[in-house]
Amino acid sequence: DVKVTQSSRYLVKRTGEKVFLECVQDMDHENMFWYRQDPGLGLRLIYFSYDVKMKEKGDIPEGYSVSREKKERFSLILESASTNQTSMYLCASSSYGAGQGVIDTQYFGPGTRLTVL
Amino acid sequence: RKEVEQDPGPFNVPEGATVAFNCTYSNSASQSFFWYRQDCRKEPKLLMSVYSSGNEDGRFTAQLNRASQYISLLIRDSKLSDSATYLCVVNRDSGNTPLVFGKGTRLSVIA
Repeated sequence: DVKVTQSSRYLVKRTGEKVFLECVQDMDHENMFWYRQDPGLGLRLIYFSYDVKMKEKGDIPEGYSVSREKKERFSLILESASTNQTSMYLCASSSYGAGQGVIDTQYFGPGTRLTVL
Repeated sequence: RKEVEQDPGPFNVPEGATVAFNCTYSNSASQSFFWYRQDCRKEPKLLMSVYSSGNEDGRFTAQLNRASQYISLLIRDSKLSDSATYLCVVNRDSGNTPLVFGKGTRLSVIA
């Protein structure tokens, strides 16, 4: 079974703090993703990575950065946390599909519920 | 037009009912299609992939109509345990591009 783990289930931080969210997958997947999920807005892609040291902006990258130094680990960094970054953060990973580099199923971690006060 | 659109529901159905969810997507170049299920306060989990010819997994049937850019999920003989939010998921373009998730349709199966 694919396993994606996230460093914390619940996190409370203060405005202005630097926040690190860690994600580790054990299936040697090339692709990793960070999303946030908010009521009424669904899942929104923050950043993704197709390989070590590679990163691509998603739909809402402002206020976030990422790091992928090892294939199995993808970190999301909130440089200076703000109250509007209170959300559920979900990490996911996937391999490539069987044909023509089409993306395969994404597997999600359990999520980190971040509250910024 | 939104990338992936779903009826938000909620759908409230009695046990044993058949329920259908529909989804439309905007990019005709999309190649990967899925239905995910998300339980309350849990992460999304793959329910099934959707193939061009349509596919079935037990009580669940998925259909894809590329010409209409339309995906459906049919659940037969609904169980209480089917209560969840069902997410329609499509890759945003051809090739290895990120997935786009619909906002989901909430299903409540009532005894």
